[in-house]
Amino acid sequence: AQSVTQLGSHVSVSEGALVLLRCNYSSSVPPYLFWYVQYPNQGLQLLLKYTSAATLVKGINGFEAEFKKSETSFHLTKPSAHMSDAAEYFCAVSAGGATNKLIFGTGTLLAVQP
Amino acid sequence: DAGVIQSPRHEVTEMGQEVTLRCKPISGHNSLFWYRQTMMRGLELLIYFNNNVPIDDSGMPEDRFSAKMPNASFSTLKIQPSEPRDSAVYFCASSPLGGGGNQPQHFGDGTRLSIL
Repeated sequence: AQSVTQLGSHVSVSEGALVLLRCNYSSSVPPYLFWYVQYPNQGLQLLLKYTSAATLVKGINGFEAEFKKSETSFHLTKPSAHMSDAAEYFCAVSAGGATNKLIFGTGTLLAVQP
Repeated sequence: DAGVIQSPRHEVTEMGQEVTLRCKPISGHNSLFWYRQTMMRGLELLIYFNNNVPIDDSGMPEDRFSAKMPNASFSTLKIQPSEPRDSAVYFCASSPLGGGGNQPQHFGDGTRLSIL
């Protein structure tokens, strides 16, 4: 069965520092992977998705993620954090088959310190 | 383009009352998902529909919860009778079918439900 694990429920960085949010997946088939962001009092918004094309995926707001099959990872990075990046981030993997059901991780709350 | 529209945005009611949450998916999307989000349990999938047909309702907590999708542009999630432990943010999401799972879900802004 498909699953994702997000390491670190809380991550704190300084403004301008590198952001690294970790996600490892388990999938019995080639996975489709997604990162979502949730700002306070809002729904989840798609940041980027991996669908087996390029392994380095660029998303919105300067975020990118690299698919590494050998490490079963799909970590999210941003070179320089901005105060507006403070939010909760969710990694998800497609459940597979004909459905578009997603299996979500438990989320990582990113704090950005001035 | 209009996104997923949920109503109401906030609902406060007393325990024992019936609660109905509404969702309008993005036009042309054939899959619809209902989630519940709490601090304790995180994001939980309650039920999802493909082409208006419920496919998996294994996440529905108990018989007090029911969901319907009478047509492609409308779905409801009903709680009857409501209990304080049902307090949460409920999200609706939609996606196109097909692609073997490579289609992202698009979320509404949620309904914040408080049961007193």
